Formats: sequence, C-alpha cells, structure tokens
Amino acid sequence: EPEVTQTPSHQVTQMGQEVILRCVPISNHLYFYWYRQILGQKVEFLVSFYNNEISEKSEIFDDQFSVERPDGSNFTLKIRSTKLEDSAMYFCASTAGSLSYEQYFGPGTRLTVT
Amino acid sequence: AQSVTQPDIHITVSEGASLELRCNYSYGATPYLFWYVQSPGQGLQLLLKYFSGDTLVQGIKGFEAEFKRSQSSFNLRKPSVHWSDAAEYFCAVGAGGSYIPTFGRGTSLIVHP
Repeated sequence: EPEVTQTPSHQVTQMGQEVILRCVPISNHLYFYWYRQILGQKVEFLVSFYNNEISEKSEIFDDQFSVERPDGSNFTLKIRSTKLEDSAMYFCASTAGSLSYEQYFGPGTRLTVT
Repeated sequence: AQSVTQPDIHITVSEGASLELRCNYSYGATPYLFWYVQSPGQGLQLLLKYFSGDTLVQGIKGFEAEFKRSQSSFNLRKPSVHWSDAAEYFCAVGAGGSYIPTFGRGTSLIVHP
C-alpha cells in the first residue's frame, strides 16, 4: 500500500539555525499539507499546497516558514531561523483531491530545537 | 470556528474489554467528523468518518462511532479491545468550505493484558 514518507525521523538543531523537513507524498496525490504537534498539545494545521502554490495557511505559518515542491516527488517545509518553541512533531499529509478529507499522513519528524 | 474536545487524556482497559472514547465538537451546522489513530512511530491513520446519513459509522479494525447531534458528540467504540489497539486516538472535525480538519488533543489508550 502506498504511504507518505518523511525524513529525517528526528532532527536536532540549535536555535537560529535553518532546518528543512522532507516529505514524499503518495505519487498520484495532488494536495499536500503540513501539520505540527507540540508535545502534549493538539495537532495543528500549518499549510496546504496545490499546483505549486500555497492554497491555505494558518496563523502559525509566518514568514519563518516556507514550503516547496522542488521536484516531482518531494515536498519540503523550511524553517529559516528556528526558535525553541518550534520544537514539535511535524506531520506531512497528502490527498488525491481537494474534496477529500481522507488525508494520508506520514510518520512525522520530531524536531528538537536546543 | 469549529473545535473538538476529547475529555480523556488517558484511558486504560483490559484486553477483551469494551472501549468507548469520547469526543465532543462545537460547530453551528452539521460537521464532518473523523477518528484517526496513531500507533507509536507511525503517522495518523483514518479509522472512520461521518459526512451524512446513517449516524452509526463503521470503520476499520472493528471500530465504530455514533454521531449524536443532540449531544454534539461522536464517540468511538469497540466491543473487544486487542493489545494492538494501544495507540493515540484523535477526533477531528471539518466544517464549512475548508477541508482542513481541526483535531482534538488526543486520547492515549493503554491496554492491559
């Protein structure tokens, strides 16, 4: 069964450094998402992406964040200058169509900012 | 805006016992409702969803959920829990023109042998 993959599984970085989290969505999916979950808190929506542009973003997704689909398979989330409060689990998801709530989630990347 | 409450942070059950995980939502109209499961080291997997129609929804892995409009609830049930059901369970609600679900904080299910 096709699945969403994410790398790395765990990333440790120092405050102020840039990080790039990588995701490979399911190959025939067209809509891509990033979510985050701070330890002990809710899963929160960050951004959705379609046709090489952001279609929706939350207030969390400020200028420190950016997303990109650099090639036909990868979908990345970049945090330019990490802060301690960016420490969280980051989930990528994809879906075949915009009218589908059946998002397929990756296993997540745990980001630890020290 | 919609919101979801999962009042139980942890639930402990014995293997073979029945299970009910609670979920309450807040939204002015009929919402779209979901339950996801997250096993350790895995992503979120959709267990079941409710969009309309029959208020008792069957899902994968023997789970079901019932939409009760009068109680604004969408509780997840399973008649007999297996040790492999130990995981984090998330209720989510979607509404209006946005297809971005709003998640609850999750309930951690612990299964004793």
